[in-house]
Amino acid sequence: SQQGEEDPQALSIQEGENATMNCSYKTSINNLQWYRQNSGRGLVHLILIRSNEREKHSGRLRVTLDTSKKSSSLLITASRAADTASYFCATGAYKYIFGTGTRLKVLA
Amino acid sequence: NAGVTQTPKFQVLKTGQSMTLQCAQDMNHNSMYWYRQDPGMGLRLIYYSASEGTTDKGEVPNGYNVSRLNKREFSLRLESAAPSQTSVYFCASRGLGGRRNEQFFGPGTRLTVL
Repeated sequence: SQQGEEDPQALSIQEGENATMNCSYKTSINNLQWYRQNSGRGLVHLILIRSNEREKHSGRLRVTLDTSKKSSSLLITASRAADTASYFCATGAYKYIFGTGTRLKVLA
Repeated sequence: NAGVTQTPKFQVLKTGQSMTLQCAQDMNHNSMYWYRQDPGMGLRLIYYSASEGTTDKGEVPNGYNVSRLNKREFSLRLESAAPSQTSVYFCASRGLGGRRNEQFFGPGTRLTVL
């Protein structure tokens, strides 16, 4: 079973707009990570947020974590065509469990 | 550094055939993982190896075996392939130090079982 469930499953936006995707998980966590997967490629780590953090920034990425709701969101600001990819959340300190992913398409 | 490498990139098997997927990492990582990814799905953990000489089952181990040959290499074997094993297989290793919570992925092996 999947620990993380992303929402929406697919998202299509215009270049320059912001993209927000959400992840819900079921059990308590030490940290939550977000990964990007370009079509046909392996996953690439984007950002990690620890359970005692509420918000974290990295470049155009902003991640929030609400442990009371067992949810996280990933915001990509000023999106570019190159951001077109699938985005996955993952939880676990050793054995990782990945969500089902959000497919983002950024239209030029 | 090549990072995590996987061979082959593509493979077609007939039901009942066996094969071994190879994975190697040159980052001196201790932990390595095998995942499968089915269309529209996230990754599901098949097996992992916390360190050289140890292996443990993940979420979907049935039909697979693994070998941690040395610190660099972690192979996945399908003894008798089934159509349900058609998938993309990813190998990953876990970082060290300040990157110990990150996983580094290989490019994947696309396997089709007819």
